[in-house]
Amino acid sequence: GENVEQHPSTLSVQEGDSAVIKCTYSDSASNYFPWYKQELGKRPQLIIDIRSNVGEKKDQRIAVTLNKTAKHFSLHITETQPEDSAVYFCAASYREKLTFGTGTRLTIIP
Amino acid sequence: DVKVTQSSRYLVKRTGEKVFLECVQDMDHENMFWYRQDPGLGLRLIYFSYDVKMKEKGDIPEGYSVSREKKERFSLILESASTNQTSMYLCASSLSPSSLSTDTQYFGPGTRLTVL
Repeated sequence: GENVEQHPSTLSVQEGDSAVIKCTYSDSASNYFPWYKQELGKRPQLIIDIRSNVGEKKDQRIAVTLNKTAKHFSLHITETQPEDSAVYFCAASYREKLTFGTGTRLTIIP
Repeated sequence: DVKVTQSSRYLVKRTGEKVFLECVQDMDHENMFWYRQDPGLGLRLIYFSYDVKMKEKGDIPEGYSVSREKKERFSLILESASTNQTSMYLCASSLSPSSLSTDTQYFGPGTRLTVL
């Protein structure tokens, strides 16, 4: 089955700096890669996703890149703000079954 | 707006009890999922369902069963609860029938289950 590895497990950045979270996957058949944000005590919510026919996708301060050959994808957050503090999960999917990474706790230092 | 609800936010049960966790979605989604979330382990899939009365095992099905009698409702059952099933349980749903595409999964608020 699919295996998704996520790094780092914790990340602290100064407010205004950029944050990068990286994930690798094992199953070359995976074709959908979402990123979820989970604030303390709340449910995970989708923030951005990318499909395997696209190399990069951007939504305001958030971007995701995908390298199918190397089987890795990354989340980039620019101009970080205090409200970006949360746990972020990557996932990989073929058809409907998502396999999640273990999460990255991002802390924005004011 | 998609709404996924779970029957309880917090639940405390004793070892050996039978436990039912209920999930309801109101958007006519085909697919429903049950995950457990543990610190450092992320979200792990227990069971999922593509349609009414249909179920498939996820990555960690041992000790659990599920029921989907109606499209909007997906139940997770712990036949005999054990302390290692203490966890946060998250339900999710997505729109599309099983196909080559994948739709966004929408999560419920979670049920924190403690087994004593």
